[in-house]
Amino acid sequence: GESVGLHLPTLSVQEGDNSIINCAYSNSASDYFIWYKQESGKGPQFIIDIRSNMDKRQGQRVTVLLNKTVKHLSLQIAATQPGDSAVYFCAEGMGTGGFKTIFGAGTRLFVKA
Amino acid sequence: NAGVTQTPKFQVLKTGQSMTLQCAQDMNHEYMSWYRQDPGMGLRLIHYSVGAGITDQGEVPNGYNVSRSTTEDFPLRLLSAAPSQTSVYFCASSRGGARVKDTDTQYFGPGTRLTVL
Repeated sequence: GESVGLHLPTLSVQEGDNSIINCAYSNSASDYFIWYKQESGKGPQFIIDIRSNMDKRQGQRVTVLLNKTVKHLSLQIAATQPGDSAVYFCAEGMGTGGFKTIFGAGTRLFVKA
Repeated sequence: NAGVTQTPKFQVLKTGQSMTLQCAQDMNHEYMSWYRQDPGMGLRLIHYSVGAGITDQGEVPNGYNVSRSTTEDFPLRLLSAAPSQTSVYFCASSRGGARVKDTDTQYFGPGTRLTVL
């Protein structure tokens, strides 16, 4: 079976509730951050990104918040659905052109129907 | 477009064997990268390429070779497989080129699950 993510932190939410996934970063010079979603057996998929000159960015049902003071990112998913169940990674985009991305360890989101 | 494709999906090797993981993209992307993902961890960069004929090392390059003879293909070679190379390998591509932006994101393939015995 799939063993990637076996020891990841897990967030369990009820279908329809809002989910908040948190991420801390260490490099205060980082200026571009991305959230990826990884479903079982698949590669990471882009969800939303944010530059360091912004505090908040909204997409469809997702919002990313950036707090540069404490070097913290969060991903908020509104009205969580069973299809949102996956591992979520925050990542720092390094190098112009998106060829070098530094990934965090990830959080597994489990949505209860 | 098929996007980023990887073959094989699964592979089992014995220690000391060599093999090549294939990666291809049909989006005319200049930039391509290889990552490995170990249990409980995020992806770590092995090698990357910013165009045909140009490659460079990432965070964990030891034991791997790459080449980029065409824009479309970016194979990863394991020279002498070791159990520590048991992992899931992902190839990714991003636009790059003359219109490159620092916010260009990567598109990932489905991965190759490699076990080295």
